[in-house]
Amino acid sequence: DARVTQTPRHKVTEMGQEVTMRCQPILGHNTVFWYRQTMMQGLELLAYFRNRAPLDDSGMPKDRFSAEMPDATLATLKIQPSEPRDSAVYFCASGPTGSSYEQYFGPGTRLTVT
Amino acid sequence: SQQGEEDPQALSIQEGENATMNCSYKTSINNLQWYRQNSGRGLVHLILIRSNEREKHSGRLRVTLDTSKKSSSLLITASRAADTASYFCATVLLTGGGNKLTFGTGTQLKVEL
Repeated sequence: DARVTQTPRHKVTEMGQEVTMRCQPILGHNTVFWYRQTMMQGLELLAYFRNRAPLDDSGMPKDRFSAEMPDATLATLKIQPSEPRDSAVYFCASGPTGSSYEQYFGPGTRLTVT
Repeated sequence: SQQGEEDPQALSIQEGENATMNCSYKTSINNLQWYRQNSGRGLVHLILIRSNEREKHSGRLRVTLDTSKKSSSLLITASRAADTASYFCATVLLTGGGNKLTFGTGTQLKVEL
């Protein structure tokens, strides 16, 4: 049963610290997405990769956030320095390309910045 | 504002009743999808309807799409307590968006025994 995995599931950190979240997409999927979910803003797309190349990161605060795909099995989202307003649940999703558009979500990383 | 707006924001029904949720969007789409999110979990894809389709069924789910009104509805028939979750519509743009999904605000469904 193929699934998207994310680590860590929970992270509590102090303001100013670096946070790294990791995602393993489903094998064979070549699109990867990072979303942030908060009560106030709902689900927001932060970054979007296809074949490991970033296609769209317009939803991401560039000064502190960065997203990469070092290889096809790993996507990372980093926040440096973290701020309390970054507290949210961060989801990674992957999907096949072609005419299939559905996305498969990981369980999320719940980030709390104090 | 977000591409998709959902109505109602919250819905409470009795087990066995039908639940209907609506979604409106603003620009031309390639397809529209519905996802479910249980509390504290990731989103799960339920159904996809393409812009040239008007209605689609999957088990107890029925989705309609009216591109002239830029709206969609999700009907869950014979609801069960296990259907309690948040439901989101998401759209893929007709052009320029690639595979990106833009999510609506969601409807919180509670099915009571």
